[in-house]
Amino acid sequence: DSGVTQTPKHLITATGQRVTLRCSPRSGDLSVYWYQQSLDQGLQFLIQYYNGEERAKGNILERFSAQQFPDLHSELNLSSLELGDSALYFCASSVGKGTGGPDTQYFGPGTRLTVL
Amino acid sequence: AQSVAQPEDQVNVAEGNPLTVKCTYSVSGNPYLFWYVQYPNRGLQFLLKYITGDNLVKGSYGFEAEFNKSQTSFHLKKPSALVSDSALYFCAVRDRTGGFKTIFGAGTRLFVKA
Repeated sequence: DSGVTQTPKHLITATGQRVTLRCSPRSGDLSVYWYQQSLDQGLQFLIQYYNGEERAKGNILERFSAQQFPDLHSELNLSSLELGDSALYFCASSVGKGTGGPDTQYFGPGTRLTVL
Repeated sequence: AQSVAQPEDQVNVAEGNPLTVKCTYSVSGNPYLFWYVQYPNRGLQFLLKYITGDNLVKGSYGFEAEFNKSQTSFHLKKPSALVSDSALYFCAVRDRTGGFKTIFGAGTRLFVKA
């Protein structure tokens, strides 16, 4: 058990809908990262937050947004969902900012999103 | 552009035999290098990382990895494979020169046969 929790485990929804994925980092970790894992794209970095502030952006669509709250949990919001958004969404956390440092990222179990 | 290559989609090895999962990278400077393992329906688990120093890094579950700067490789190894090692393995690279993104390889599926 990595200490990172994600809810829900599974989510099934329809195209055009909006969903929210939640992540709680390990105790003491200030950085939260979001990744999308799909068969055709592999593991893609979406966005990173550090202590409540956006730190880095990766391949995140404009339809997606995220935030990190004062208690350090994070939410990833996916809107106007398309079939291609079906994927496994992982959250990871680390102690530091992760900017060029050797921080180890600890991954949650993921949320499997299915868009029908 | 920075990239990570895992040239083998799948590696098959018999239990008790040594295993190698290959990783090469193209990143400027001297990056930090990581290996993660993913078991079915689970998140990624950290195995080991290379920061600096000795080119042979020892990690969890008896795994080790050899950093080769001239070949820009970071191959994962284990002297004696177990059936329970069967999983998906990811190599990852983070640019040391201020980059914030961790780039993952496509993954290599390891099958260990009893």
